[in-house]
Amino acid sequence: QVQLVQSGGEVKKPGASVKVSCKASGYRVSSYGISWVRQAPGQGLEWMGWISASNDNANYAQKFQGRVAMTTDTSTRTAYMELRSLRFDDTAVYYCVAVAATSLDYWGQGTLVTVSS
Amino acid sequence: QTVVTQEPSLTVSPGGTVTLTCASSTGAVTSAYYPNWFQQKPGQAPRALIYSADNRHSWTPARFSGSLLGGKAALTLSGVQPEDEADYYCLLYYGGAVIFGGGTKLTVL
Repeated sequence: QVQLVQSGGEVKKPGASVKVSCKASGYRVSSYGISWVRQAPGQGLEWMGWISASNDNANYAQKFQGRVAMTTDTSTRTAYMELRSLRFDDTAVYYCVAVAATSLDYWGQGTLVTVSS
Repeated sequence: QTVVTQEPSLTVSPGGTVTLTCASSTGAVTSAYYPNWFQQKPGQAPRALIYSADNRHSWTPARFSGSLLGGKAALTLSGVQPEDEADYYCLLYYGGAVIFGGGTKLTVL
C-alpha cells in the first residue's frame, strides 16, 4: 500500500533552517507529485507548495517564496522540504502529501518542527 | 487575498444528515476549482475523502458525498456515525495556487 514516512521532529532556533524528508513507497514515483502542507498548533491546514516527481518543476505558495525549497531524489524515492530563516510562527506539523493531478491523496504522518530560542 | 470559507462548527445527531460547505471569496465555486475534502481526527494526519468535487476515493465510505451546491462546494454526510466526529477541511485550486478552508468542527451528539 502507499506509504509516506517522514523524518522525526526537529527543534530549531530562530533564523535557522530545517529540512524535512518524506520517503515514499507502494506506488510508481512518476504517478504522483508531492505537496507540503503545514498545521500550526490548534490551527487549520496551510498549503506550502508542490513539486513534480517527474521533472522537479516546483510551485510555491506566495507566502513562502524565497524561503522554501522543495526537492526530490527519485533514486531513493524521497522528497525534501527545506524552510529557511525560521521564525517562531513556523512552529507547526509539516505534512508531505502525494498528489495525483488535482487530488491530494496520501498523507505522511507529519513532522513537528518547533522553533524556540 | 483570496479566502476560502467553511462553517466553523456544526452539530448533527447520530443517523442524521449534515451538509458542510466551502465558499470562495472570488465568487461561485465550479468544477474548475477541483474541490477536495479531508477529514482530520485529533492527533492524526488528515485523510482524503473527496476529489474533483464529487469523486470518492476507494477508501471513502459511501455515506460521504461531494457536490456543487448554490455556488459552493459541499460535503454531505448521510447516516452519520459517531466516528464521523472530526474536523473537515476543503481545498480549492486557483490555477497554480491551492487554498484550504478554515475547517469545520463536526460534533456528533
